[in-house]
Amino acid sequence: AQSVTQLDSQVPVFEEAPVELRCNYSSSVSVYLFWYVQYPNQGLQLLLKYLSGSTLVKGINGFEAEFNKSQTSFHLRKPSVHISDTAEYFCAAYGNQFYFGTGTSLTVIP
Amino acid sequence: DGGITQSPKYLFRKEGQNVTLSCEQNLNHDAMYWYRQDPGQGLRLIYYSQIVNDFQKGDIAEGYSVSREKKESFPLTVTSAQKNPTAFYLCASTPKRISANTGELFFGEGSRLTVL
Repeated sequence: AQSVTQLDSQVPVFEEAPVELRCNYSSSVSVYLFWYVQYPNQGLQLLLKYLSGSTLVKGINGFEAEFNKSQTSFHLRKPSVHISDTAEYFCAAYGNQFYFGTGTSLTVIP
Repeated sequence: DGGITQSPKYLFRKEGQNVTLSCEQNLNHDAMYWYRQDPGQGLRLIYYSQIVNDFQKGDIAEGYSVSREKKESFPLTVTSAQKNPTAFYLCASTPKRISANTGELFFGEGSRLTVL
């Protein structure tokens, strides 16, 4: 069965420090991969997506992610976080339907 | 601006009452979805629809019903048979039907239902 695993449920990080949010997927077929961000009591907003081509994907708000087929990973990174990055982050994969991870709560500490 | 509008934003109901959550999109997207979000559980698919007058059950359809009479609209009814209806409900759409290239999900702002 296809699934998405987000390895960290909570990630605290100091302002201006780098951050990595980890995501692994299981699949025996080609997938499309996504990262979404959710602020409290709001819907999900697309940060970035990997469909094909370059394995390094750049998104909005300075985020980027790297698709690693051999490790079945799609980790999200930002070199320097801001207070406004505090939110819930969801990794998702699409095979024949959308599969979501359980989310990572990023808290940026001033 | 194009987007997905969900209403109401917040809804309180007594046990045993049916409630209907509205979802309207002006993106001209073919497919629409309803997800339920509970803390620590991510998003779970309730129902989805790829074309008008057709819809399929997702992973947790019991206690819910939907209709798709218009391309733009996909309302969700939470019935009294849903044992634990208190949750955050998200409506979404994709440009194309389920396929190899369905495109990403576009989400509405969500509706928070609290059953008292």
